[in-house]
Amino acid sequence: QKEVEQDPGPLSVPEGAIVSLNCTYSNSAFQYFMWYRQYSRKGPELLMYTYSSGNKEDGRFTAQVDKSSKYISLFIRDSQPSDSATYLCAMKKNSGTYKYIFGTGTRLKVLA
Amino acid sequence: NAGVTQTPKFQVLKTGQSMTLQCAQDMNHNSMYWYRQDPGMGLRLIYYSASEGTTDKGEVPNGYNVSRLNKREFSLRLESAAPSQTSVYFCASSLSPVNQPQHFGVGTRLSIL
Repeated sequence: QKEVEQDPGPLSVPEGAIVSLNCTYSNSAFQYFMWYRQYSRKGPELLMYTYSSGNKEDGRFTAQVDKSSKYISLFIRDSQPSDSATYLCAMKKNSGTYKYIFGTGTRLKVLA
Repeated sequence: NAGVTQTPKFQVLKTGQSMTLQCAQDMNHNSMYWYRQDPGMGLRLIYYSASEGTTDKGEVPNGYNVSRLNKREFSLRLESAAPSQTSVYFCASSLSPVNQPQHFGVGTRLSIL
């Protein structure tokens, strides 16, 4: 079983829809949670970075962490065709390692 | 503001050839990383450098070597390329290895024939 699971998609939504992207994980020691956006043939771009539980909002993006369920989500409001990309979740323990664990990514298509 | 710069962007090698992938960051970050990305496997850490003067193995170090040349530059070397090393390679950096997010370059697409 992978430490981090992410549905590969593709997830297709109409423009303007609310998108929900999710990752589940098995290691309760994870404390830092990140979401990256990766356009085709480009490097991952940091979108959101959260520590521990709760919500964090940045413009149209909201990151949510539910440590009791070992589940993190990224919500995109008013989705745009320019949001079409692969979204990677990543997480890390608080101490003892420098290693980030990445999900395999969910491919999102926003249809105009 | 260049961020993390990787060279080259594309490369084709023959089995057994060697090459060095270059990475430089201009964000005054202390830590640097090399990953490979393969379909269905996600990003896997090859080597990292928590600070200038230190390097450590990651998840998949076999067949690779690294050099932290100075605070800005971190190179990855393939001594004898194998087809299994065909991948997209990403360099990343972070201010701290402990609790700061990583910022990535655009990647190097490497094909080994």
